Amino acid sequence: NAGVTQTPKFQVLKTGQSMTLQCAQDMNHNSMYWYRQDPGMGLRLIYYSASEGTTDKGEVPNGYNVSRLNKREFSLRLESAAPSQTSVYFCASSEAPGVSTGELFFGEGSRLTVL
Amino acid sequence: AQSVAQPEDQVNVAEGNPLTVKCTYSVSGNPYLFWYVQYPNRGLQFLLKYITGDNLVKGSYGFEAEFNKSQTSFHLKKPSALVSDSALYFCAVRVGNTNAGKSTFGDGTTLTVKP
Repeated sequence: NAGVTQTPKFQVLKTGQSMTLQCAQDMNHNSMYWYRQDPGMGLRLIYYSASEGTTDKGEVPNGYNVSRLNKREFSLRLESAAPSQTSVYFCASSEAPGVSTGELFFGEGSRLTVL
Repeated sequence: AQSVAQPEDQVNVAEGNPLTVKCTYSVSGNPYLFWYVQYPNRGLQFLLKYITGDNLVKGSYGFEAEFNKSQTSFHLKKPSALVSDSALYFCAVRVGNTNAGKSTFGDGTTLTVKP
């Protein structure tokens, strides 16, 4: 059982380039999320999707876009990468509110460096 | 607004000794509290949660946490530490059974268990 799968695991970009981080979960969860992790700053929510067909901004959405392609997949796009977006990105999923108490299941992370 | 504080960046203990990793929170409403563990170059893994009921909750790998409403704390504990417990630990909080993605994470505490 794969759980939450993220690709790519590593990526180096130049300033201004674009890229998409892919995420897929096989747990039939309704809700999916993108976080970034920076040293000493914990995890910060970028965007989330409470259910298929909906997306909402989190704490730090600027410079990012998302697509909930279907129930399994939730992608994160950087249209014009900046050095401040150098980070480790985590995708997570959970059951919908009211179905469970909402613990998150995380992918292994995507380490992005913007030069 | 909700917030989480992990006052210690680092906790060092000797193998076999008890360990405590501290967490305090601030929310408006009934808190749902979580602990997650992150091993190097891995995603976060759910350890345990407090939703309601008994203030002492037990989780994976022998960990437990005590919810203290008056002190707004949710400290993680283990009676006898193992070297393999060395990792980064995150406390997280959200209000009630709302969208789990609105969980707020602390900055993390690095636990080092020495042989």
